[in-house]
Amino acid sequence: EDKVVQSPLSLVVHEGDTVTLNCSYEVTNFRSLLWYKQEKKAPTFLFMLTSSGIEKKSGRLSSILDKKELFSILNITATQTGDSAVYLCAFYNYGQNFVFGPGTRLSVLP
Amino acid sequence: EAEVAQSPRYKITEKSQAVAFWCDPISGHATLYWYRQILGQGPELLVQFQDESVVDDSQLPKDRFSAERLKGVDSTLKIQPAELGDSAMYLCASSSDGRRLYEQYFGPGTRLTVT
Repeated sequence: EDKVVQSPLSLVVHEGDTVTLNCSYEVTNFRSLLWYKQEKKAPTFLFMLTSSGIEKKSGRLSSILDKKELFSILNITATQTGDSAVYLCAFYNYGQNFVFGPGTRLSVLP
Repeated sequence: EAEVAQSPRYKITEKSQAVAFWCDPISGHATLYWYRQILGQGPELLVQFQDESVVDDSQLPKDRFSAERLKGVDSTLKIQPAELGDSAMYLCASSSDGRRLYEQYFGPGTRLTVT
């Protein structure tokens, strides 16, 4: 059965800290891995990763995929209170399905 | 900016009652998804439509849940009868075809509470 595991499940840091969120997966017919940010409502898209070793960056956020070891990380540098959210990892397979992990709840304290 | 619309935003119902949720995807998006998200968990796919056709409903509890997208545009998800365990956020998402199929846009969700 396809699955996505995220760690840690929750994390509390102070503003300015750097955090690394982990996502590992076991999936057949892997096509892409995606990261979403979910605040109090619906998830919003952050990154899509298809190729190993190519870092995607958006401001203070960056992500990379390792298809050999079946994991991805999401880094957030110089965290701000506005980064507090649940970060969801999902994979997208050739069956055109999205399977989500449980999420990592990040709390950034002032 | 175009958005996915959902209604109602909140619904409280008693068990054994029927409930229905509505979703209007971004114009031109052929693929529509319904997800259920239980508190503290990631979204779980219930049903996926490509235009008016069901692509995947393997996780839909078909004894009580039904979904339709008759004209390939908006969609309705129904639960009858509702059970206590159905309390969750119901999210609708849509994506376009082609290279950006992976990029889902989510609606605000309907939070269902079954008492």
